[in-house]
Amino acid sequence: EAGVAQSPRYKIIEKRQSVAFWCNPISGHATLYWYQQILGQGPKLLIQFQNNGVVDDSQLPKDRFSAERLKGVDSTLKIQPAKLEDSAVYLCASSSFTGTSLTWFQFFGPGTRLTVL
Amino acid sequence: SQQGEEDPQALSIQEGENATMNCSYKTSINNLQWYRQNSGRGLVHLILIRSNEREKHSGRLRVTLDTSKKSSSLLITASRAADTASYFCATGNQAGTALIFGKGTTLSVSS
Repeated sequence: EAGVAQSPRYKIIEKRQSVAFWCNPISGHATLYWYQQILGQGPKLLIQFQNNGVVDDSQLPKDRFSAERLKGVDSTLKIQPAKLEDSAVYLCASSSFTGTSLTWFQFFGPGTRLTVL
Repeated sequence: SQQGEEDPQALSIQEGENATMNCSYKTSINNLQWYRQNSGRGLVHLILIRSNEREKHSGRLRVTLDTSKKSSSLLITASRAADTASYFCATGNQAGTALIFGKGTTLSVSS
């Protein structure tokens, strides 16, 4: 079974520039997540999709971050404009979670390491 | 906000020794999960323990859960150099639809 794919793996940009990350979840997984992981911390949820609808985006800085999941499969996360504090690893995850929290867990992609100079 | 907090922040042991790391959380949970993260394989799910379970085993891993103390522990027996990684506990958010991770324990196993 293919895992969660992400690209690019690394990205270096200047502050105020724009950047986009792409994620392809495991086939058949309805739920897709984007997490931000700052060095030395655990991943923090940015946004969660169920199929192509947003379930939770309460921690997404909407003034500069946007995400979409067209057709309920691939997803892109965009930052515009980037700030120094956006330097982090951006992780995409997917799960077959369908409504009960008893037994689900998530599969993570390798992440995109973003450096903002 | 962080739900789980792992302890210790860092742990260094020799190969063959056991490694124990702890996690405390704040609110009631349906389950608690442990993940491992290293540079080679990214973030990988290790084990899930439900709130009505007290102990669970998977290979060299043993997880305990004490809901009265809101705490969990992960024991890795007979550690290997390949166990070198960061370990995170994670619990469900309020809606039970996404995970909240702690800051992690960094384990170094030397040969």
